[in-house]
Amino acid sequence: DQQVKQNSPSLSVQEGRISILNCDYTNSMFDYFLWYKKYPAEGPTFLISISSIKDKNEDGRFTVFLNKSAKHLSLHIVPSQPGDSAVYFCAAQTLNRDDKIIFGKGTRLHILP
Amino acid sequence: EAGVAQSPRYKIIEKRQSVAFWCNPISGHATLYWYQQILGQGPKLLIQFQNNGVVDDSQLPKDRFSAERLKGVDSTLKIQPAKLEDSAVYLCASSSGTGRGGTFGSGTRLTVV
Repeated sequence: DQQVKQNSPSLSVQEGRISILNCDYTNSMFDYFLWYKKYPAEGPTFLISISSIKDKNEDGRFTVFLNKSAKHLSLHIVPSQPGDSAVYFCAAQTLNRDDKIIFGKGTRLHILP
Repeated sequence: EAGVAQSPRYKIIEKRQSVAFWCNPISGHATLYWYQQILGQGPKLLIQFQNNGVVDDSQLPKDRFSAERLKGVDSTLKIQPAKLEDSAVYLCASSSGTGRGGTFGSGTRLTVV
């Protein structure tokens, strides 16, 4: 049973345009949702998170939107840059219970010149 | 702040051999995770420690995998005997439970031949 789903294995976006990565979840008990970025031969790096009580969090070029009724979140990258080419993982975390972090399968983002 | 340290970076073993991985988390992080990431998939949680106690090991193949976290700091993950399907990257992460997810090490890439 996959609790965090990323249905797009890959995405190609022109440099300078907006990249939108999507994620769906099934467990309404998650407290935080997180996005990680992963380059080859490195561990995932934390990018941005959002509390389940918020609907938007922004950090520079990165914005995460949360739609709790739809159990859906998205990561927007504006403008997209060549260094953004990587695999992006959506994850969800429960706090004050077991602090578990569950990952999706990832979306490979290609930024085209 | 020093990151999560893992060793070795790479390991190649024959099936039925044993192997051990080591992780040193960020100082003060009570929660430590071991994840298995098979190529093309997201990280799968194997075991989670809170200090030196196990919180979740439901997806750890206990007939061949074992893990310990002595004194609530460093941790080792062992596989004995290894199978071909154990070929993966083994990621260690630690967390302080603040909703910023876990901080990951660079991982150990295991190849079983």
